[in-house]
Amino acid sequence: GAGVSQSPSNKVTEKGKDVELRCDPISGHTALYWYRQSLGQGLEFLIYFQGNSAPDKSGLPSDRFSAERTGGSVSTLTIQRTQQEDSAVYLCASSSGMLAVGWDTQYFGPGTRLTVL
Amino acid sequence: AQTVTQSQPEMSVQEAETVTLSCTYDTSESDYYLFWYKQPPSRQMILVIRQEAYKQQNATENRFSVNFQKAAKSFSLKISDSQLGDAAMYFCAYRSADSNYQLIWGAGTKLIIKP
Repeated sequence: GAGVSQSPSNKVTEKGKDVELRCDPISGHTALYWYRQSLGQGLEFLIYFQGNSAPDKSGLPSDRFSAERTGGSVSTLTIQRTQQEDSAVYLCASSSGMLAVGWDTQYFGPGTRLTVL
Repeated sequence: AQTVTQSQPEMSVQEAETVTLSCTYDTSESDYYLFWYKQPPSRQMILVIRQEAYKQQNATENRFSVNFQKAAKSFSLKISDSQLGDAAMYFCAYRSADSNYQLIWGAGTKLIIKP
């Protein structure tokens, strides 16, 4: 696609419920990233995919968080048993993944605002 | 470990004036990339400008330019002829040349444009 898309744009859920957030990267981009941004804060790295593999899951805050990527394209971030502290904007980015060309700039989607009541 | 510091939580400028946002970083690496991203209220993180550490020349993109001082580990963003549409959060980010994913982010500077 023309840019990174994310759905839903906004999600309100009750504490304890599971949620799934979707990211559709730029076509042809092999690298995909998830970040979390709490109100008024910078970006917190969650996970990185190269193709369907996740070489770095170190940013996932707890085992309630998981992510997968299928077909080297769409990725889903799942949060189980949501807590109020999970409320944040979840941003997805993609890049070409070709480190050899130098920049490998990350391009971002519009984010999903998650509110846990 | 690398760190990125933006010491100005908020800046304001009169429309049509020039403003400079500061960013400093700490690294022991010699080759890396630096980025400025803009995040308007729409939440979309937009790349403004980028700089390769091994290039002496400061990057420029229309009204946006950087002052890259490698020895001082400083990477400031200058916005000339400020426009209302420039109002946003601005984030500085660092990436090692050896990594294609680990962006280190500053805390951001909120830029207010006064009409």
